[in-house]
Amino acid sequence: EVQLVESGGGLVQPGGSLRLSCAASGFIVSSNYMSWVRQAPGKGLEWVSIIYSGGSTYYADSVKGRFTISRDNSKNTLYLQMNSLRVEDTAVYYCARDLTIAAAGAGGYYYYMDVWGKGTTVTVSS
Amino acid sequence: DIQMTQSPSSLSASVGDRVTITCRASQTISSYLNWYQQKPGKAPKLLIFAASSLQSGVPSRFSGSGSGTDFTLTISSLQPEDFATYYCQQSYSTLYSFGQGTKLEIK
Repeated sequence: EVQLVESGGGLVQPGGSLRLSCAASGFIVSSNYMSWVRQAPGKGLEWVSIIYSGGSTYYADSVKGRFTISRDNSKNTLYLQMNSLRVEDTAVYYCARDLTIAAAGAGGYYYYMDVWGKGTTVTVSS
Repeated sequence: DIQMTQSPSSLSASVGDRVTITCRASQTISSYLNWYQQKPGKAPKLLIFAASSLQSGVPSRFSGSGSGTDFTLTISSLQPEDFATYYCQQSYSTLYSFGQGTKLEIK
């Protein structure tokens, strides 16, 4: 069964750090694009970061320079290192697999998040 | 960055109704548009990818259309389990973005 399980959330003070983990089963993390998405309390979904199968990484402007996405192939696990945390980073953090499918006739590939974890909660507060 | 705008933000409807939610991109995104359903306390669930392709296991009452900047999600006959929040998401840019969500409530 394809599954993602996040862990590592908790309460941290502003300016602190936290590392989230996302353990995958049923597929190989390093062969897929993988994303982190967050949802602040009562708010909508916000895309945070992505790592491509080739290793390229991209970040939302709101976290660039503070967050780092990475993976451990031997553990089949995705990570999100979060530094210099702010109150506004408080959210449920989800990891998701980005599946790709060839865009017939148009060239290129479509990308969509087809498997999601249940999420882990990060609270930044003094 | 590409901004995604959904309308309406909330919608009241009855079981059996036909419902349409729209999503507009701030620039052309071809068909790089996905739709998700989220219920309270749960992770999002993929419904539609590439603007109009139905994800495996999703009921056929859900459909998507559009290309360029304007997209729609249609539910042909609302069922009780469809009351949830719906999000569009673009994957045209390396920096993904979501719409603000449309909350579908029971009338």
